[in-house]
Formats: sequence, structure tokens, C-alpha cells
Amino acid sequence: RKEVEQDPGPFNVPEGATVAFNCTYSNSASQSFFWYRQDCRKEPKLLMSVYSSGNEDGRFTAQLNRASQYISLLIRDSKLSDSATYLCAVGSNYQLIWGAGTKLIIKP
Amino acid sequence: GAVVSQHPSWVICKSGTSVKIECRSLDFQATTMFWYRQFPKQSLMLMATSNEGSKATYEQGVEKDKFLINHASLTLSTLTVTSAHPEDSSFYICSAPLTGNYEQYFGPGTRLTVT
Repeated sequence: RKEVEQDPGPFNVPEGATVAFNCTYSNSASQSFFWYRQDCRKEPKLLMSVYSSGNEDGRFTAQLNRASQYISLLIRDSKLSDSATYLCAVGSNYQLIWGAGTKLIIKP
Repeated sequence: GAVVSQHPSWVICKSGTSVKIECRSLDFQATTMFWYRQFPKQSLMLMATSNEGSKATYEQGVEKDKFLINHASLTLSTLTVTSAHPEDSSFYICSAPLTGNYEQYFGPGTRLTVT
């Protein structure tokens, strides 16, 4: 089993819809959790941190479920510009372990 | 804040030559930097962890004599791909965390093509 797993997708979603995807992790001692966004042929950029109490930033909501060992990302009212690959990263021992990413395609 | 630069942004070189890639933290000091490689349509693969003032830590399967890493100062790490071959063609990205934090800030990446 991989340390951090994501559904690779692609998720094809109509503009305006709500989409959610999860990321599971195997190390129960993990301490920090993040969602990054990566556009084609670009570097990953931090989208948001995931706190135990959840985190919301505009249309984006991230949640952590420690009992089931996964984090989630919810995107509401999706825009064409949300099309990208979303990477989750899980931190322990001051290293980040990366998921392979979930590709999201928003269609007009 | 937390800006990381990389140079060059792209490079084309001939097989057998060496290429040096620089990674700089512009507005913070980074005792640790990470070097990743990403092949088309594949995930980020950590190659090595660069430590200021000490040897880099390489991931399993990464040849340390081929991918030379030097963390010369608190703001600069370099990756040298020695005797490059076409299979080394890839997107190389560095990142750095703020001291004591997990979140990493990425440089814009270097696209290497070996002909």
C-alpha cells in the first residue's frame, strides 16, 4: 500500500458543479496535511493547509478525518480555471509525502 | 513571502555533458531544500534532500554520483546532472520549507532536454 494515495482521475465536471476528492494516508502519526495545485508544465503551488478543525477558503473546503486517515478537498461552484492536478501532501518527520495527484477537468 | 527561484528555466544539452541547476530562496533562509523530478504525466518523485553544511540525503535508486547536490549557503542549493543522457530529460523542481514548517514552496522548475 502506498503511503499517500489519490484517485488519479480525471474527474470531468461541468462548470458550476461541486466536486470533491479524497486522499488517504497510511501513517497514523502524520502531523501536517496540505493540498497543492499543479498546472500543466508548472510547479505545484500551495492551495491550502488542512487543519484538524477543517479549513475553508472561498470556494474551497479542506477537511481532515484522522480516524479514517484521509483528507478531502471540496470545490464549490467550479470554474474553468480550476482545471488542474490537485496533489495532497502529508507531513511527518519534517518530510512531505506526496500523492500522485488527481486530475480535474472543468468543462463549459 | 517564501519565494523560491530556479535557474535556468529550461536547458537543452548534448548527451554526455553536465548541467547545473540553481535553486535559491529569495526572502528566507533554507537549511533544507528538496529536489524533485517529474516525468510527463507522472507524479513528483523526490530525488534528494539537500542540507546546508552537510551531505545531501538521496532517495533509493537515485545515483548520488550522477546527481551532485551542493547546498553552499542558506539560500542556495545546486543540482548538477553529470554525463547527462536522454533518459535524464525531465522537469526538475526544487522546493524549500520555512524553518520548522512542513509546507514547501517550490521553484518554477527547470525543464531539461538531453539530445
